[in-house]
Amino acid sequence: DAGITQSPRHKVTETGTPVTLRCHQTENHRYMYWYRQDPGHGLRLIHYSYGVKDTDKGEVSDGYSVSRSKTEDFLLTLESATSSQTSVYFCAITSDRAPDTQYFGPGTRLTVL
Amino acid sequence: GIQVEQSPPDLILQEGANSTLRCNFSDSVNNLQWFHQNPWGQLINLFYIPSGTKQNGRLSATTVATERYSLLYISSSQTTDSGVYFCAAYYNTDKLIFGTGTRLQVFP
Repeated sequence: DAGITQSPRHKVTETGTPVTLRCHQTENHRYMYWYRQDPGHGLRLIHYSYGVKDTDKGEVSDGYSVSRSKTEDFLLTLESATSSQTSVYFCAITSDRAPDTQYFGPGTRLTVL
Repeated sequence: GIQVEQSPPDLILQEGANSTLRCNFSDSVNNLQWFHQNPWGQLINLFYIPSGTKQNGRLSATTVATERYSLLYISSSQTTDSGVYFCAAYYNTDKLIFGTGTRLQVFP
């Protein structure tokens, strides 16, 4: 257990509304990641962060933004949710003690109607 | 970027059987990991194995980096082994690319 929590765990929203998902970690790890998981695609990287206010895009970043104002929190925002963003979202960290290994949070299931 | 392919996509076993899952990657990688996603959705890191062989109980993994593949062996499978197994490889040092997974169902 790498001390990762995600909130909310489930959310249903309507097209066009803003949505923010939160990832919280308790062990001051430097690297944090947001993935989405869809059938037939496995997990795909949306954005990642390598420190406070340091973020970069992953392979499916369009329509998403992130912020990291504190080490422990990494926020993923959908400015105007679309049905194609219905997915399960996972946060992950890379442990400073094991930098080649990623540990995942429990996931957030988001449904956009 | 690199491509990561897994086979087979689906596998059905009876409890006690052995199985081999394969992961092919299209380019040289510095890091190869195997994950298990249980039926409740939780992702668990099984192995970090850029090369060589590692074992953990009934599971073992082998990566032959020069031939660009990795294998995950499950021996004496149990119903608790059910779920989806993913391999993933790093590119650009800090971004993981995942395969599409092998869905394993173990029946009693």
